[in-house]
Amino acid sequence: NAGVTQTPKFRVLKTGQSMTLLCAQDMNHEYMYWYRQDPGMGLRLIHYSVGEGTTAKGEVPDGYNVSRLKKQNFLLGLESAAPSQTSVYFCASSRGLSLTEAFFGQGTRLTVV
Amino acid sequence: DAKTTQPTSMDCAEGRAANLPCNHSTISGNEYVYWYRQIHSQGPQYIIHGLKNNETNEMASLIITEDRKSSTLILPHATLRDTAVYYCIVRAHTGANSKLTFGKGITLSVRP
Repeated sequence: NAGVTQTPKFRVLKTGQSMTLLCAQDMNHEYMYWYRQDPGMGLRLIHYSVGEGTTAKGEVPDGYNVSRLKKQNFLLGLESAAPSQTSVYFCASSRGLSLTEAFFGQGTRLTVV
Repeated sequence: DAKTTQPTSMDCAEGRAANLPCNHSTISGNEYVYWYRQIHSQGPQYIIHGLKNNETNEMASLIITEDRKSSTLILPHATLRDTAVYYCIVRAHTGANSKLTFGKGITLSVRP
């Protein structure tokens, strides 16, 4: 049982490049989340999804897009990377109703130069 | 508006109980209290959650006051591996308040 898997684990981008971060979960969870974590800021919610085909904005959605075409995958896209998007990105998933503990991936460290 | 308030940091001696406080004075009737922790460089880990009754599992105990405006996470016998940032989160299980939102948490340092 892999849980939540993030791909890639590390990436360096040049300003203006685009990329997609992949999050995959094998627990049949309804809810999925993308967070970013910067020093001294805690985790901030970027976007989330309450089910296949649905997405919603979190606290800091600007500069990111997401898609949930399949229940098990939640993609985070950066269309034109900026140095301000240098961060550690975490994906998580949870069941939608009770017993909704969230499971987190191990993170993607992204550097935009 | 912040839904929870936690001290910035605290420490405790290894083997002693660590009591981590959290204030959530604006909690709604359908909102639960959740605790997560994040050990350095790892993804957050679920610890425990509760609605109004005290809860205990293999990791910790959660004590919620009768008015539900505050709670305490108790690690009964802290070890060095419990050094982490601990997040207290208030959330509903459905609806607009169901997303998981983290604050800055409290940094717990367990000393030998």
